[in-house]
Amino acid sequence: DAGVIQSPRHEVTEMGQEVTLRCKPISGHDYLFWYRQTMMRGLELLIYFNNNVPIDDSGMPEDRFSAKMPNASFSTLKIQPSEPRDSAVYFCASSLQGGYGYTFGSGTRLTVV
Amino acid sequence: DQQVKQNSPSLSVQEGRISILNCDYTNSMFDYFLWYKKYPAEGPTFLISISSIKDKNEDGRFTVFLNKSAKHLSLHIVPSQPGDSAVYFCAASSGHFTGTASKLTFGTGTRLQVTL
Repeated sequence: DAGVIQSPRHEVTEMGQEVTLRCKPISGHDYLFWYRQTMMRGLELLIYFNNNVPIDDSGMPEDRFSAKMPNASFSTLKIQPSEPRDSAVYFCASSLQGGYGYTFGSGTRLTVV
Repeated sequence: DQQVKQNSPSLSVQEGRISILNCDYTNSMFDYFLWYKKYPAEGPTFLISISSIKDKNEDGRFTVFLNKSAKHLSLHIVPSQPGDSAVYFCAASSGHFTGTASKLTFGTGTRLQVTL
């Protein structure tokens, strides 16, 4: 099993540009989570899906953030337009059960200059 | 509104000694608690967990203690080893006993450094 796969590993972009982060969950997992890691807030839940349906997006900071899960094997997190304060490590995780058994990807380190 | 708090951003412990990492929570609905370990450039990995009906769970060198009345849990590592140097995240969920647990709320993390 390849685990949760995120791409790219690193992204450097200019303020105002669109950024798209990608995630491939573990096959058979029906929950997918997007987290953001910052020093101040730790691991902060942005949004999660169950069976490809967004369940809770209350952690999405602003309308500039959007996430989709068009099928069970792919999800994207998009930031448009990006701002320097969006700089963080973004993690995707998947699980068979919602409250535990998470497998995290290696993360995408986003730097907005 | 940080529902899970780790007030110590860092901790340094000598090899062979005990490491104690602390976590506080505010949401009384939380009924399942977990610790994750994170190495640089990797995603967090599950370490140990405890449900709210227990006050202690042990797995080798790792023990988690839960004090529900104080809304406090701690992770003990004995003896500490250099390979334990990592960031440790406390996490919590609700709905464990009703089968409705849906998401984990994480703390800010504690960086543990085990020195030789």
